[in-house]
Amino acid sequence: NAGVTQTPKFRILKIGQSMTLQCTQDMNHNYMYWYRQDPGMGLKLIYYSVGAGITDKGEVPNGYNVSRSTTEDFPLRLELAAPSQTSVYFCASSPGQAITNSPLHFGNGTRLTVT
Amino acid sequence: GNSVTQMEGPVTLSEEAFLTINCTYTATGYPSLFWYVQYPGEGLQLLLKATKADDKGSNKGFEATYRKETTSFHLEKGSVQVSDSAVYFCALILGGYQKVTFGTGTKLQVIP
Repeated sequence: NAGVTQTPKFRILKIGQSMTLQCTQDMNHNYMYWYRQDPGMGLKLIYYSVGAGITDKGEVPNGYNVSRSTTEDFPLRLELAAPSQTSVYFCASSPGQAITNSPLHFGNGTRLTVT
Repeated sequence: GNSVTQMEGPVTLSEEAFLTINCTYTATGYPSLFWYVQYPGEGLQLLLKATKADDKGSNKGFEATYRKETTSFHLEKGSVQVSDSAVYFCALILGGYQKVTFGTGTKLQVIP
């Protein structure tokens, strides 16, 4: 079982560049999430999706975009990278309401540095 | 809004010592509570959970009891090992869209 797979593992961007963080899951989960993890700050929700074609903003969506064209994939797009977006990004999935209060399954993260 | 407060780390313990990591929460309702663990270079993994008051979650020697009267979910282990060194996150879920609120994490270092 691959679970949740994120690519790339590491990336360095220059200010103003764009990139897409890839996330795919093979568990047929309806719900998918993007979090960022900053030192001492826990995890903050960027965007989430409750199914293909449906996305919604989390706590810190500014500077990011997402799409959910299939159940498996949930890419996160940075259009104009800024130093404030230096962070570790985690994608997660869950079965959603089909299983009450089901835990999240996390990928191993993407470490992004913007200089 | 909902929030989770954890004790600040890092926590450094000798092998076989007793571990407590405090966690309290604020929520408008009755959440489900979780502990996740993050080993170096990896994503978070579910360690244990409790879905209602007085439930006890347990896994790998770790335990936590859902205390509604004190809004707490403290993590305990009777005898820690070096392999338990990781960051531990307390979290809650409340609401239909399964959005999780995380604490800031507590780093545990166990020395031989």
